[in-house]
Amino acid sequence: NAGVTQTPKFQVLKTGQSMTLQCAQDMNHNSMYWYRQDPGMGLRLIYYSASEGTTDKGEVPNGYNVSRLNKREFSLRLESAAPSQTSVYFCASSGSLIGGELFFGEGSRLTVL
Amino acid sequence: KQEVTQIPAALSVPEGENLVLNCSFTDSAIYNLQWFRQDPGKGLTSLLLIQSSQREQTSGRLNASLDKSSGRSTLYIAASQPGDSATYLCAVYSGGGADGLTFGKGTHLIIQP
Repeated sequence: NAGVTQTPKFQVLKTGQSMTLQCAQDMNHNSMYWYRQDPGMGLRLIYYSASEGTTDKGEVPNGYNVSRLNKREFSLRLESAAPSQTSVYFCASSGSLIGGELFFGEGSRLTVL
Repeated sequence: KQEVTQIPAALSVPEGENLVLNCSFTDSAIYNLQWFRQDPGKGLTSLLLIQSSQREQTSGRLNASLDKSSGRSTLYIAASQPGDSATYLCAVYSGGGADGLTFGKGTHLIIQP
């Protein structure tokens, strides 16, 4: 049982380059999330999708876009990467947006030079 | 705005000891609280989810308690083992959708062999 799968696990970008982080879950969950984790800042919500076809901004959405491709997949796109976006990105899913148990992927470590 | 604090930030104990990790939150109007474990370079793994109506949850050597009125939760680990070394995070859900989940910054636990 794979759970939540993220790709790529590591990526180095130059300032201004674009990339997409992919996330897929096989638990038939309705809700999916993208977080970033930075030292001293904890986990911060970037975007989330309550269900297929809907997306909403979280605490730190600037510089990012998302697509809920279908019930399984939720991607995060950086259109023009900046050094401030150097971070570890986590995708998560839950059965319910309202207080559901969260399941996380292994993370994607992004460095922007 | 909900704030979640985990003290201490780091803890080192000899193998075999029983230990308690603390999580405090400022707004007692919560729906549930979740404890996670994070190994270095890995994602978060859900350990226990306690609903607001519950006082405690148990899984193996782990026992989590919740005291809503005092804004506190504890994670008790019995007979600690080196494999328990990790960062433990708590997250409180206060309602209002995905934005209502607030994470603590974690306690980094080291179990000395």
